[in-house]
Parts: sequence; C-alpha cells; structure tokens
Amino acid sequence: GAVVSQHPSWVICKSGTSVKIECRSLDFQATTMFWYRQFPKQSLMLMATSNEGSKATYEQGVEKDKFLINHASLTLSTLTVTSAHPEDSSFYICSARDTKPPTDTQYFGPGTRLTVL
Amino acid sequence: AQSVTQPDIHITVSEGASLELRCNYSYGATPYLFWYVQSPGQGLQLLLKYFSGDTLVQGIKGFEAEFKRSQSSFNLRKPSVHWSDAAEYFCAVGSFGGNQFYFGTGTSLTVIP
Repeated sequence: GAVVSQHPSWVICKSGTSVKIECRSLDFQATTMFWYRQFPKQSLMLMATSNEGSKATYEQGVEKDKFLINHASLTLSTLTVTSAHPEDSSFYICSARDTKPPTDTQYFGPGTRLTVL
Repeated sequence: AQSVTQPDIHITVSEGASLELRCNYSYGATPYLFWYVQSPGQGLQLLLKYFSGDTLVQGIKGFEAEFKRSQSSFNLRKPSVHWSDAAEYFCAVGSFGGNQFYFGTGTSLTVIP
C-alpha cells in the first residue's frame, strides 16, 4: 500500500524558534499534499493544501506567514512553524494524495507531535 | 453544505461481539467515501474506500462498509471485534478530482474482554 512518512515524529522546542516538519510519499508521486492539525480527542482540522510547484492554499484562519509550506518535489512537502509559541503545540499530520487511476485517495503520515515550551 | 456526521462519539463492545459504526454524509457531488482508523499517537490508516460499483466494500483487518445512497450512509461493520481494534475511527467524504476531504468527528471504540 501507499506509504507516507513524516519527520520528525516528535519535537520539543523553545518558544520563538522555528520547526520544520517533512512529509514524504515513499512509493508514489503526489502533486497534492495536505497538512492537518489535530487537538486531543478531536477530528482533523485542515490547515492548508500543498501543491507541487505552486503556492499553498491556506484555510481560513490559518496564518500563512506562521505556517510556511513548501512543496518542492512530487514526493516532499515541508511545514515550517515559525516563531513557535506554546499555543502551537499540537499533533500535525500530513497526507499525500494518490491520483493514479482509478484511485483518488489520501494516505496519511504517522504525525508529528510538537511541544513548544 | 458538505459534512460528515458520526453520531456515536464513543462505543464500547465486548471482544468477539459484532460492531457497527455509523456515518452519514451530506455532499453535493458524487461522493467518494472512506474509513480511517487512528491508534493513539499515530496517523490515520485507510481501512477501506468506496468509489463506485458494488456498494458493499471489503477492507483490511476484516472490516467492511456498505454505501446506501438513499440513506446517505456509509456504515462500517465487523462481525467479531478484537481487542486490537480499540482505536479512533474516522469517516470521510470527498470527490474525484476535488481537493477537499470532509472528516467526521470520529468514534472512539473501546473493546472490553
């Protein structure tokens, strides 16, 4: 099956620093990747849609200058949380969209737990 | 408006008992439907999906789901639950070529011995 990896799986950082999270599709190419945020015992909140070779599309209320997304290749998207603060602590999950016919399915990474002190 | 409803926030079943998790959707286009499972601290794993054809779809881990267009439902079932099935289950709807997936709020499954 399709595999999506995320790195790191967990990270602790000091307030004011920046953190980069990588999302890779390992066995398929993904022109579109998605970044979600999940709060404890809640569903996923879509933050942004990452398109290879173009700017990301952010959901309403998500600060694009704070959550920088780069989709530099068909297998890699990165999310950088800039000037992180404790309220940014969360579980961040990416997904990669496999559109090879006849399917159109999102496959999810294992998530990254971010703790900002 | 597009939405997915999972009416049951939490379900407890005994090991070996049957399971049904409910999912109702509201979607303007032809829906593609998915069930994902999430273990604590993990990402989401695809259990099964429905695009077209046979309305009863089989997935991994012995799960199946039935698409009922007239009821706008896509309920997940398993005939005999195992303790390892304890997790959070999410139903999602999307469309072919569309970018947006809509997730339900999830159903937490507890399995008791």
